Amino acid sequence: DAGVTQSPTHLIKTRGQQVTLRCSPKSGHDTVSWYQQALGQGPQFIFQYYEEEERQRGNFPDRFSGHQFPNYSSELNVNALLLGDSALYLCASSRTSRPYEQYFGPGTRLTVT
Amino acid sequence: GEDVEQSLFLSVREGDSSVINCTYTDSSSTYLYWYKQEPGAGLQLLTYIFSNMDMKQDQRLTVLLNKKDKHLSLRIADTQTGDSAIYFCAENPGGYQKVTFGIGTKLQVIP
Repeated sequence: DAGVTQSPTHLIKTRGQQVTLRCSPKSGHDTVSWYQQALGQGPQFIFQYYEEEERQRGNFPDRFSGHQFPNYSSELNVNALLLGDSALYLCASSRTSRPYEQYFGPGTRLTVT
Repeated sequence: GEDVEQSLFLSVREGDSSVINCTYTDSSSTYLYWYKQEPGAGLQLLTYIFSNMDMKQDQRLTVLLNKKDKHLSLRIADTQTGDSAIYFCAENPGGYQKVTFGIGTKLQVIP
C-alpha cells in the first residue's frame, strides 16, 4: 500500500519565480492538506482540498494556491517567490470517514535564492 | 487562540524511559497527536488520543491527557537509539479543522 508521495524531493528557485509542487495521497484517501515547515519550526497549515475545492485555509497570502484533481492528487503553487518561502513543504492525506488521521508525505525541500 | 508549547530538547540514556510534555490552549481540541520526524523526513503519525480519554497505550508508547490543565505527555518505555528524532505535539478541534503543531522536542538517546 503506497503511502503519500510528493515530487520533486528538492527544488531550487530564484526570487520572483513560480513553483509547483505535487502530491499523491495514500490509497483510499480523498482529502489533501498542505503544510509549510520552516527550519526549526513545526508545520504550519496552508490549506486543505476536498472534492476539488479548497475547504479551509491558513494564514498564507494569495501567492499560495492549490488544486485537487479528480484522482485526489493535488498541486501547490507559489507565485512571486520570496526568500522566506524557503522551507519543507509537506502534504498530508486523510479520508472523509476518519478525518482525524492524517498521514504525511516525505516533503519537498524548496530553496529560494 | 490556538497555541501548542513544548520544550525544545530532551536527552535520555538508552533503556531509560523518555517523557515528552506539551501544553495546548484550545479547550475545544478534540484530537491530540504525537508525530515523529527523523532528519530529512516527513512526519510519522505515532499515536493520537480523543479528548474524552485520559490515557492511551500502544506498545512502548503511553499518552496521558490532563484536560483540566491542557497537558499532554508521551512516555516512551525502554528508549532506543532509533527513537532519536523530533517529536511534535499537535491539536485538532475536530472534524475537518486544521491541525496545529508545536515547535517540536528533539529527543537525543545516548547509547
